[in-house]
Amino acid sequence: DIQMTQSPSSLSAYVGDRVTITCRASQSIRTYLNWYQQKPGKAPMLLIYAASSLQSGVPSRFTGSGSGTDFTLSINSLQPEDSAIYHCQQSYTTPRTFGQGTKVEIK
Amino acid sequence: QVEMVQSGAEVKKPGASVKVSCKASGYTFSTYGISWVRQAPGQGLEWMGWMNAYRGDTNYSPKLQGRVTMTTDTSTSTVYMELRSLTSDDTAVYYCARDAANRGLLDYWGQGTLVTVSS
Repeated sequence: DIQMTQSPSSLSAYVGDRVTITCRASQSIRTYLNWYQQKPGKAPMLLIYAASSLQSGVPSRFTGSGSGTDFTLSINSLQPEDSAIYHCQQSYTTPRTFGQGTKVEIK
Repeated sequence: QVEMVQSGAEVKKPGASVKVSCKASGYTFSTYGISWVRQAPGQGLEWMGWMNAYRGDTNYSPKLQGRVTMTTDTSTSTVYMELRSLTSDDTAVYYCARDAANRGLLDYWGQGTLVTVSS
């Protein structure tokens, strides 16, 4: 199975800050990388697919980049509603695997 | 609008089976597949498998192969996930999600179904 490792596990930042989350795959997954946002008690929501494509309806302050084994999710100008857990997921092969999640809190 | 509505919470004893349903609406059911993902309390997401909602072919996680079965009822646009021989490790929230052609791109999710396994 392909292992997905996210860092950091958690972070705290101020409204308006730029935040970056990293996801590393144990082998090359080209650009088959998706990002999800999950708020407490809710289902995950697709934010970014194919490493850098913004899902319809998602604010443009969310951006994704990377290819191969290293990927990043950035949130420009962090907003209070961005407080959530962010999960990366590889869709290169089955079984699909997820990172352990990164919790983003607002200071 | 696309909606995935799941069945309600379940409490099961160890060794029992559970069957969770996921009713899709707002899109052409036959043109998408469904993936199932679970999340144990305080843990990350675990992919369980995928099925073609129209043809019924499946792709299960090797970890659950032999214990999980996914089925479809095209007449009601409903997909089912059955998990057998439950243990406390299966206590989790189970989600269905729309997944086009098993691309692993989960664009619409159900609300989740809590399955608790306890003696």
